Amino acid sequence: GESVGLHLPTLSVQEGDNSIINCAYSNSASDYFIWYKQESGKGPQFIIDIRSNMDKRQGQRVTVLLNKTVKHLSLQIAATQPGDSAVYFCAARAGGYQKVTFGTGTKLQVIP
Amino acid sequence: DAGVTQSPTHLIKTRGQQVTLRCSPKSGHDTVSWYQQALGQGPQFIFQYYEEEERQRGNFPDRFSGHQFPNYSSELNVNALLLGDSALYLCASSLRQAYNYGYTFGSGTRLTVV
Repeated sequence: GESVGLHLPTLSVQEGDNSIINCAYSNSASDYFIWYKQESGKGPQFIIDIRSNMDKRQGQRVTVLLNKTVKHLSLQIAATQPGDSAVYFCAARAGGYQKVTFGTGTKLQVIP
Repeated sequence: DAGVTQSPTHLIKTRGQQVTLRCSPKSGHDTVSWYQQALGQGPQFIFQYYEEEERQRGNFPDRFSGHQFPNYSSELNVNALLLGDSALYLCASSLRQAYNYGYTFGSGTRLTVV
């Protein structure tokens, strides 16, 4: 089955710096990947997604990179702000209508 | 346009009891997925409902059951509650034909079993 994991449980960055959150997945059949942000007491909030036929996708201050060769994806947040403090999850799906599997999360702490 | 609505927001139950959690999907969505999120962990997939049928199921015992109604809303039922069932239960909705888009999550129901 799918296994999605994160390299670091906690990441601390200075306000204004760039943040990079990494994620590894195990199922080579995974074809769709999503990053979610979860603030305390709230449900996960969609940030950005990427399909397996792409290796990079950019949003507003966020970029997702996908390396299918090593089954790795990353989320880059530019000019990190205090409001970015949250737990970030990567999630993956292995085709069509299959379930979305989540990793364990990385807590991002922004130091003012 | 309302997003995903879950009720209740918090619930305390005694071990052995039964509980029902409710979810109203985002307007226009027809598929509901339920997740269990233990403290400090990522959400774990319980099951997914579409056209009032359970379409997929995660590694959860039969004590966990669900239902989807014609208006696409859904219920999650847990019987014979265990202390380990204490968690945040998340409902996520999506449009089945748009499966290449991420789910929309509700804020969850915090279940505490004592």
